[in-house]
Amino acid sequence: QSVLTQPPSVSGAPGQRVTISCTGSSSNIGAGYDVHWYQQLPGTAPKLLIYGNSNRPSGVPDRFSGSKSGTSASLAITGLQAEDEADYYCQSYDSSLRKGVFGGGTKLTVL
Amino acid sequence: QVQLQESGPGLVKPSQTLSLTCTVSGGSISSGDYYWSWIRQPPGKGLEWIGYIYYSGSTYYNPSLKSRVTISVDTSKNQFSLKLSSVTAADTAVYYCARAHYYDRGDYFAGWGQGTLVTVSS
Repeated sequence: QSVLTQPPSVSGAPGQRVTISCTGSSSNIGAGYDVHWYQQLPGTAPKLLIYGNSNRPSGVPDRFSGSKSGTSASLAITGLQAEDEADYYCQSYDSSLRKGVFGGGTKLTVL
Repeated sequence: QVQLQESGPGLVKPSQTLSLTCTVSGGSISSGDYYWSWIRQPPGKGLEWIGYIYYSGSTYYNPSLKSRVTISVDTSKNQFSLKLSSVTAADTAVYYCARAHYYDRGDYFAGWGQGTLVTVSS
């Protein structure tokens, strides 16, 4: 049971928009800690996709965007492409557990 | 561009100590810009933060693993290392080293090694 809750799977057709939610609590996202997102392509290491709730590292397409509100955060992907098929993880810090925490991951399938 | 590479045994016997090293290239581990981290991922499962170290030697560990984990740094070799004692099958995972940007509203992992699979089995 992950501290941050993500849907196990989402899907969309090429060109569509999908969102992935990340729900936390008052000891992590709701406490003001930032949310970060990672993309893990099959058989590879995770890659930083969004940091500080909504910032994209250099090289990440602007099709990817992040937002945060209250105790939740979301990752949106527009103009879905076949190469976006991957696992996506949110991450934040939990003050009660005194450690960084990850969501359980969401598998994105491009139909 | 900073790159990280894990190395170490791929098979460890139950009750023994898992030891891994991460070699950093393309930048100095002593720059002070990052915390140097270990993260693991059991086969088919999610990510778990193990801990990190600053170049000065300050360490922060996952409380659930703290009694078994030691992370150390060797600035002369631009390396940092992980030791996990008394391993069981539950410690079987891909182990990643990563560089963490640590700030007042948390931390994030800006770059990752390719990962190394460690299997605990007799």
